[in-house]
Amino acid sequence: AQTVTQSQPEMSVQEAETVTLSCTYDTSESNYYLFWYKQPPSRQMILVIRQEAYKQQNATENRFSVNFQKAAKSFSLKISDSQLGDTAMYFCAFMKRTGGSEKLVFGKGTKLTVNP
Amino acid sequence: DTAVSQTPKYLVTQMGNDKSIKCEQNLGHDTMYWYKQDSKKFLKIMFSYNNKELIINETVPNRFSPKSPDKAHLNLHINSLELGDSAVYFCASSQAGLRNQPQHFGDGTRLSIL
Repeated sequence: AQTVTQSQPEMSVQEAETVTLSCTYDTSESNYYLFWYKQPPSRQMILVIRQEAYKQQNATENRFSVNFQKAAKSFSLKISDSQLGDTAMYFCAFMKRTGGSEKLVFGKGTKLTVNP
Repeated sequence: DTAVSQTPKYLVTQMGNDKSIKCEQNLGHDTMYWYKQDSKKFLKIMFSYNNKELIINETVPNRFSPKSPDKAHLNLHINSLELGDSAVYFCASSQAGLRNQPQHFGDGTRLSIL
């Protein structure tokens, strides 16, 4: 069974600094997809970044980047130049294929607070 | 021009009642989902429909009955509501077979059972 573990329930960072959120997962598949979603207090689920397992290059989206270590099954999210608007719950997710559909398996989330 | 829209955003009701949550997507996707987020913020899939056919049913009680009249709509009906049903319910959609494409989520419906 696929599981996703986020070991940091809460983290805080000063504005403009860098923070890394950790995520590990367990799977027997060789090709898969990983995602980070952000959920601000407004409750929306917003895609932050995605990574395809067969791509060795780490994904980057502006201030957000990942450190994908396939052998270690690790998928951490780095947020550079943190902004107050980055305050949110961050969920790591693994996309699992089931029959003719896919489902996201989520970690329990990390609550990130960016302090002024 | 909302991509995935859910109604209502908030639903407060008494235990034992029956209620429905509606979801519509205008992205042309063929797959829709319902996820439940509990009080500890844990998100778990409940159902998935592909072209109006049930694909995933994650051991959800029979009181929950999804209905997909067409591939753009997936509604969730809940009978005999219980206190434990209090949660935020998210609808999502995606295009099956394109695993690198993310699922797009609605804004959620907060269901509170009194």
